[in-house]
Amino acid sequence: DAGITQSPRHKVTETGTPVTLRCHQTENHRYMYWYRQDPGHGLRLIHYSYGVKDTDKGEVSDGYSVSRSKTEDFLLTLESATSSQTSVYFCAISAQGGGETQYFGPGTRLLVL
Amino acid sequence: TQLLEQSPQFLSIQEGENLTVYCNSSSVFSSLQWYRQEPGEGPVLLVTVVTGGEVKKLKRLTFQFGDARKDSSLHITAAQPGDTGLYLCAGCLTYTGFQKLVFGTGTRLLVSP
Repeated sequence: DAGITQSPRHKVTETGTPVTLRCHQTENHRYMYWYRQDPGHGLRLIHYSYGVKDTDKGEVSDGYSVSRSKTEDFLLTLESATSSQTSVYFCAISAQGGGETQYFGPGTRLLVL
Repeated sequence: TQLLEQSPQFLSIQEGENLTVYCNSSSVFSSLQWYRQEPGEGPVLLVTVVTGGEVKKLKRLTFQFGDARKDSSLHITAAQPGDTGLYLCAGCLTYTGFQKLVFGTGTRLLVSP
């Protein structure tokens, strides 16, 4: 199994509070991704990174920011959490971009009350 | 608007039955992947198809990429309880100069003994 961990695994927070999710990899892969998974929508890309300090938006980036100061860590921040951001968040990594295999972490279940 | 539609959304069958899951789009993909996801875990890659018309077999699973590279199917022969899970297709598209995966809506399969 690819070495990907996500923390926390579960979180309950209140509307309006900032939340940071962490993804850590031990594979030294260049690309890292944050997705959210909601019923009926599959996985939707929030942000991705193609190197240290190199990030870009995905299809559902509003209300989210990311940072990557080290190869192994990719942080996702919900600046002011809303109930619509209740979801399961997955981090993924790949050695190359495009259609390369992505390896997923175990997910973080976030509930915004 | 979901780029990749999967059907059916849910499928409940008995052990030993055959089934087919479809993944359809109006977009052309450079490649297409199928993932399986079990409860509480991230998706895991099953197969990648690249060429239009390509057929790949993985034990009892047969994957086909449409001739026009807009659709794909997954056929399972003699399903077993261990096949239970969420099946996701993902197509590779070029988006703002970056090739990324677009995930389908998912098919949840339950195989009962």
